[in-house]
Amino acid sequence: NAGVMQNPRHLVRRRGQEARLRCSPMKGHSHVYWYRQLPEEGLKFMVYLQKENIIDESGMPKERFSAEFPKEGPSILRIQQVVRGDSAAYFCASSPPESTGPGELFFGEGSRLTVL
Amino acid sequence: GQQLNQSPQSMFIQEGEDVSMNCTSSSIFNTWLWYKQDPGEGPVLLIALYKAGELTSNGRLTAQFGITRKDSFLNISASIPSDVGIYFCAGGPYSGGGADGLTFGKGTHLIIQP
Repeated sequence: NAGVMQNPRHLVRRRGQEARLRCSPMKGHSHVYWYRQLPEEGLKFMVYLQKENIIDESGMPKERFSAEFPKEGPSILRIQQVVRGDSAAYFCASSPPESTGPGELFFGEGSRLTVL
Repeated sequence: GQQLNQSPQSMFIQEGEDVSMNCTSSSIFNTWLWYKQDPGEGPVLLIALYKAGELTSNGRLTAQFGITRKDSFLNISASIPSDVGIYFCAGGPYSGGGADGLTFGKGTHLIIQP
């Protein structure tokens, strides 16, 4: 399966703990996006990264949330000191090079965070 | 920020019926995309539109990119049970420098009664 891989699929944390969500993009994709989805809602853009660079983090809360996409390894979305309102499904997506389909996102199956 | 108004919020139809849903925005988008999401899964791309006025089909699905670049519709003909799910429209700026973040509508829940 060469799709976008996310893990863990499900994560339970207590308030105040840290959550780390990982995403490996599709082979050949160098753009990674993180979206958050609340129940019965659409997806909200959080952050757009390329290798070692944050391109757009306008949708990410200024505090407690951070994202990285290192030269080697998966992209990481990190949520520190989680609160109940952080409970949501977090989706990672990757996109192909511009020449093969700009604007198209390929999504992973999501990581579902539950904060107790 | 940019917002997409997607309607209807939900549809209850009989198997075999045609389905129509649409998305409007006060902002101009350079790309419109339609995704389908099954329960517990990530969205899957159905159709991508890149030119105003463009009409594109994918099997029983047809989508159009509005001339004003502020709207798009998706039609599904002769619905079948596996069409059940949530359909999202998404608009993107795409200025040529890369795939920028998409703005999503809130989704249309499609429920098919046998």
